[in-house]
Amino acid sequence: EIVLTQSPGTLSLSPGERATLSCRASQNVNIRSLAWYQQTPGQAPRLLIYGASSRATGTPDRFTGSGSGTDFTLTVSRLEPEDFAVYYCQQYDGSAHTFGQGTKLEIK
Amino acid sequence: QVQLVQSGAEVRRPGASVRVSCKASGDTFTTYNIHWVRQAPGQGLEWMGLINPRGETKSNPQKFQGRVTMTRDTSTSTIYMDLSSLRSEDTAVYYCATELHLKYYFEYWGQGALVTVSS
Repeated sequence: EIVLTQSPGTLSLSPGERATLSCRASQNVNIRSLAWYQQTPGQAPRLLIYGASSRATGTPDRFTGSGSGTDFTLTVSRLEPEDFAVYYCQQYDGSAHTFGQGTKLEIK
Repeated sequence: QVQLVQSGAEVRRPGASVRVSCKASGDTFTTYNIHWVRQAPGQGLEWMGLINPRGETKSNPQKFQGRVTMTRDTSTSTIYMDLSSLRSEDTAVYYCATELHLKYYFEYWGQGALVTVSS
């Protein structure tokens, strides 16, 4: 099973700033299977990015996914108030889907 | 538009079983794999398994083998997840979510169903 480790655990930033979230895998990940989700309190996760870099329908263009192999990044270019949430990366290795433990993006 | 509507909150004793349902709209049922993902209070997301349009199932072998059963009722477009031998660690919100065949990501999610296991 591929283990995904996200860092940092918590990121404290102000609106308008740039956020960089990391997702590191224990083995190479099929780039097609790497996705990012946003979750706000009390809500189901929302798909943001799939295939490592493709924006899902409705994802603002300030969200950018990048990376390959074992290192993936989600960048938010200019934080809006609604972006403060928990973010998860996810992958599928042919036998199981796994998620990272999440990065909480909080208002500084 | 894909919609997944889940059943309500449940409370069970340790050792009991629980069934969570997920009613799918439109052609979701015959087009998508339906996955189950759970989230313990204050914790991250954990994949449990899936049922595909042909009714074939696959579960997370390391965590749930033998305890989780996924079925479907084609007449009502409803998918069911049964979890047996419940323990306190199974207290979580259980989500159903769609995956278009071989896309590897979860595009649409149900609203979640809280299952509480307590003596």
